[in-house]
Amino acid sequence: GENVEQHPSTLSVQEGDSAVIKCTYSDSASNYFPWYKQELGKGPQLIIDIRSNVGEKKDQRIAVTLNKTAKHFSLHITETQPEDSAVYFCAPGGVFGQGTTLQVKP
Amino acid sequence: DVKVTQSSRYLVKRTGEKVFLECVQDMDHENMFWYRQDPGLGLRLIYFSYDVKMKEKGDIPEGYSVSREKKERFSLILESASTNQTSMYLCASSFDRGTYNEQFFGPGTRLTVL
Repeated sequence: GENVEQHPSTLSVQEGDSAVIKCTYSDSASNYFPWYKQELGKGPQLIIDIRSNVGEKKDQRIAVTLNKTAKHFSLHITETQPEDSAVYFCAPGGVFGQGTTLQVKP
Repeated sequence: DVKVTQSSRYLVKRTGEKVFLECVQDMDHENMFWYRQDPGLGLRLIYFSYDVKMKEKGDIPEGYSVSREKKERFSLILESASTNQTSMYLCASSFDRGTYNEQFFGPGTRLTVL
């Protein structure tokens, strides 16, 4: 089955800085690469996703980049704001990583 | 807007009790999932269903069963609750378009087994 690792497990940045979270996976057949955000007291919610025929996708301050050869994809958040503080999960091929807790300090 | 609702936000049960967690989605999704979420372990798949009366084991099905009698409803059953089943339980649903797609999650049920 798919083996998913997410790094780092916790990340603390100053407001306005960038944050990058990396996800590595083992199944080369995976073709769907989403990132979910989970705020306190809520279920995870999709924030951005990418299919395997695309290398990068941007949506305002967030972007996802995919390297299929190396089997990893990353979430990039620019100009971080306190409301970006949450737990982020990658889920390649529907298998969830362990999560990254992002804290944005004002 | 897709809505996935779970029957309880918080539940406290005693060891050995039979526990039912209910999940309902209103978007006619084919797929439904049950996960448990524990600190440092992320979301682990317990069971999923891709059609009415169909079910597939996930990564940690032991101690759990499921029921899907109607397309919109997916129930998780703990036959005899144990303290190691204290956790956050999340239900999700998605369209089936022959490949993985966005999952829509409910708010979760925090279960405590005493």
